[in-house]
Amino acid sequence: NAGVTQTPKFRILKIGQSMTLQCTQDMNHNYMYWYRQDPGMGLKLIYYSVGAGITDKGEVPNGYNVSRSTTEDFPLRLELAAPSQTSVYFCASIPGSSGANVLTFGAGSRLTVL
Amino acid sequence: AQSVTQPDIHITVSEGASLELRCNYSYGATPYLFWYVQSPGQGLQLLLKYFSGDTLVQGIKGFEAEFKRSQSSFNLRKPSVHWSDAAEYFCAVGAPLGDKLIFGTGTRLQVFP
Repeated sequence: NAGVTQTPKFRILKIGQSMTLQCTQDMNHNYMYWYRQDPGMGLKLIYYSVGAGITDKGEVPNGYNVSRSTTEDFPLRLELAAPSQTSVYFCASIPGSSGANVLTFGAGSRLTVL
Repeated sequence: AQSVTQPDIHITVSEGASLELRCNYSYGATPYLFWYVQSPGQGLQLLLKYFSGDTLVQGIKGFEAEFKRSQSSFNLRKPSVHWSDAAEYFCAVGAPLGDKLIFGTGTRLQVFP
């Protein structure tokens, strides 16, 4: 099925470890986003990209890095995991080619840092 | 500053009762407004959206929302709640392209039989 695919679904990390959350979409969407969701806090934007080779910071970018080498993929990297990065991460995308776009979300990746 | 406020953290209703979830926003330009629903362990699904035109918008699963510019509100309603509506509901506001959508903190709905 077409949509946004995130891997892994669950991951436990030790403090200081690094990892990459993968996100891929097969809808040829230009805009892609990474959000984190914490209880009672809603969703906060980490990074976004408006096309291959273009990324920009969102509201809470510290401790994360992204890249966008292809239209389909938008991986999120955690270099030195900290307990504060325990969260559920959502990747999302929109076409970006016209107005009134609606986000399509992945199913989420639950990360625990111990 | 741009923001979305959902005043109710947790709401409990009986099955068959009516429902209204509140959403207030602060946004400098013409707002594009959304309601999303998240079932436990799932991603977010769009319920409905408002971009322009009729201020009463219909969505999926029997939900509707009304945009009131004078009150900066976009409240979600349903006349008769079903047990399957138990979930978390998020209001969001953004620009036309959906760029940098701002989410509220969510309202968790519990439905009793």
